[in-house]
Amino acid sequence: AQSVTQLGSHVSVSEGALVLLRCNYSSSVPPYLFWYVQYPNQGLQLLLKYTSAATLVKGINGFEAEFKKSETSFHLTKPSAHMSDAAEYFCAVSVNSNDYKLSFGAGTTVTVRA
Amino acid sequence: KAGVTQTPRYLIKTRGQQVTLSCSPISGHRSVSWYQQTPGQGLQFLFEYFSETQRNKGNFPGRFSGRQFSNSRSEMNVSTLELGDSALYLCASGRGTSGNQETQYFGPGTRLLVL
Repeated sequence: AQSVTQLGSHVSVSEGALVLLRCNYSSSVPPYLFWYVQYPNQGLQLLLKYTSAATLVKGINGFEAEFKKSETSFHLTKPSAHMSDAAEYFCAVSVNSNDYKLSFGAGTTVTVRA
Repeated sequence: KAGVTQTPRYLIKTRGQQVTLSCSPISGHRSVSWYQQTPGQGLQFLFEYFSETQRNKGNFPGRFSGRQFSNSRSEMNVSTLELGDSALYLCASGRGTSGNQETQYFGPGTRLLVL
């Protein structure tokens, strides 16, 4: 069965600093990987997704992620944090081509210090 | 283009009651998935519907059920509510025809509190 592990339930960064959120997956077949963001009292918004076209994926709001098969990782980064980046971030994996089920990590809450 | 809408947004029920939540997908989308989000268990997949048929089901008891109508709107029902059913219930819509790489769009959720 596929799964994802997000390292660190809370991350605190200073405004303007690098944001790095870690995600490792386990899958016996090439996965599709997603990063979603959730703001308080809202649903999930897709930041970016990896579908095997390119290992470096650029998303919205300046976020990007790199798929590293050798490390089974899909870490999310943003060069310069903004106050509006404070939210909860979820990594998700989907494996079966005809299966729309997403398996989510536990989430990482990001706080941004002024 | 309107996004995914869920009604109601907030709901309070008592143990033993039943509840029905509604999800209207983005126009043209025929796949609707439901997820339960709780602080303890995180985001868990409930089921997915496509063209009025359940295509996939998560590991939840039979008290959790769903259906989809011909206009792609979906409802989920929870019978005999338990305290542990208190959660944010999210639905996601997608075209449902491009496989699992397809982007799914989430609604704002229905927050259910069981007393």
